[in-house]
Amino acid sequence: ILNVEQSPQSLHVQEGDSTNFTCSFPSSNFYALHWYRWETAKSPEALFVMTLNGDEKKKGRISATLNTKEGYSYLYIKGSQPEDSATYLCASYNAGNMLTFGGGTRLMVKP
Amino acid sequence: NAGVMQNPRHLVRRRGQEARLRCSPMKGHSHVYWYRQLPEEGLKFMVYLQKENIIDESGMPKERFSAEFPKEGPSILRIQQVVRGDSAAYFCASGGLAGNTDTQYFGPGTRLTVL
Repeated sequence: ILNVEQSPQSLHVQEGDSTNFTCSFPSSNFYALHWYRWETAKSPEALFVMTLNGDEKKKGRISATLNTKEGYSYLYIKGSQPEDSATYLCASYNAGNMLTFGGGTRLMVKP
Repeated sequence: NAGVMQNPRHLVRRRGQEARLRCSPMKGHSHVYWYRQLPEEGLKFMVYLQKENIIDESGMPKERFSAEFPKEGPSILRIQQVVRGDSAAYFCASGGLAGNTDTQYFGPGTRLTVL
């Protein structure tokens, strides 16, 4: 059973603040790391799929980095807005296993 | 282009009844994944199917649960003789390519309540 951990579990920031959170995953037999954004009462929305060590992906004010050797990924949000409030999930794909999700980081942005 | 569709969105069953959850993948997608979210827990993989084939069912409970993805029609997750512990949100996701390096697109989920 793989262990995918996310921290912090929850985070409160003010509108305009930049923030980041962490996903740690097993580095052995690693294939891909997925990030999702999940708003209450909606479907998880795919943000990024990352496979290469050192990879960096960006979508608007959100970006992510990947370190496959040490098994962590950071998600950054620049200039947080209230509409960024959601739970951010990461999921790791390692050989011999299916996608294993972390517990998520719940972000709340106060206006 | 319609996204992943799941129905019903909410399902109430009494203990011992059967629950059937349906998932229609995005157009052109032939890979379907089912996940379960128990109360206060994260998403857990259950089963991965391609058209007419079960590829990986390592996350499925050994008894009472089955899944299919026929040549025509939606994927079905079937739970026989439901118990209270089956109460959860069941999500399906679809992808266009094999393997987990491709983006998976999630449906809105079916919330099953067992009385």
